[in-house]
Amino acid sequence: IQLTQSPSSLSASVGDRVTITCRASQGISSSLAWYQQKPGKAPKLLIYAASSLQSGVPSRFSGSGSGTDFTLTISSLQPEDFATYYCQQLNSYPRTFGQGTKVEIK
Amino acid sequence: EVQVLESGGGLVQPGGSLRLSCAASGFTFSSYAMTWVRQAPGKGLEWVSGISGSGGSTYYADSVKGRFTISRDNSKNTLYLQMNSLRAEDTAVYYCAKDNVVVVATQYYYYYMDVWGKGTTVTVSS
Repeated sequence: IQLTQSPSSLSASVGDRVTITCRASQGISSSLAWYQQKPGKAPKLLIYAASSLQSGVPSRFSGSGSGTDFTLTISSLQPEDFATYYCQQLNSYPRTFGQGTKVEIK
Repeated sequence: EVQVLESGGGLVQPGGSLRLSCAASGFTFSSYAMTWVRQAPGKGLEWVSGISGSGGSTYYADSVKGRFTISRDNSKNTLYLQMNSLRAEDTAVYYCAKDNVVVVATQYYYYYMDVWGKGTTVTVSS
């Protein structure tokens, strides 16, 4: 299963609403997770089961979608949110990742 | 505290072998599947291999199938990745991650990786 994220990168300002999409090449139900990665650090789980917020993750992060189309939304971008975001499907093996979306400061 | 810690990375020549380890603590290791993920320099994340809690089921990416072997020792709370016939394109940071699952309506199983190590660097070069 291939995952295509869009955009590959974006520039945004603090306080902006940011939306990242992830499209699967075939239906994956709600078996999708979102991760945040900062340079030199390990990925951090944000969202699982497409829309469930991981414990400790700020509520400005939300996920939606099922089947083939998914969205990660940051309602009000904060300075610590500038990072690269990856979606991952866990419906079947191999458990593929999207190519990533880099969120940069405008 | 729930954590995993990778070790065993280093510099190896093409065609060589290396074994990575991942020491787990803070949770009942045998109850959870585990995963290896890698990231080549400047590139995205690539899922490499996974193993069930008992070790009875293993899974591999096509890029490593036949060369890498995942295993675990539940008595030592340790996950392994044996890497043989290494190639330059295997150069990456290798992360170990703990799998988790949520069950919805008693029939839908949604998996995710909730605990990640800091990674260990593997460089394949002559």
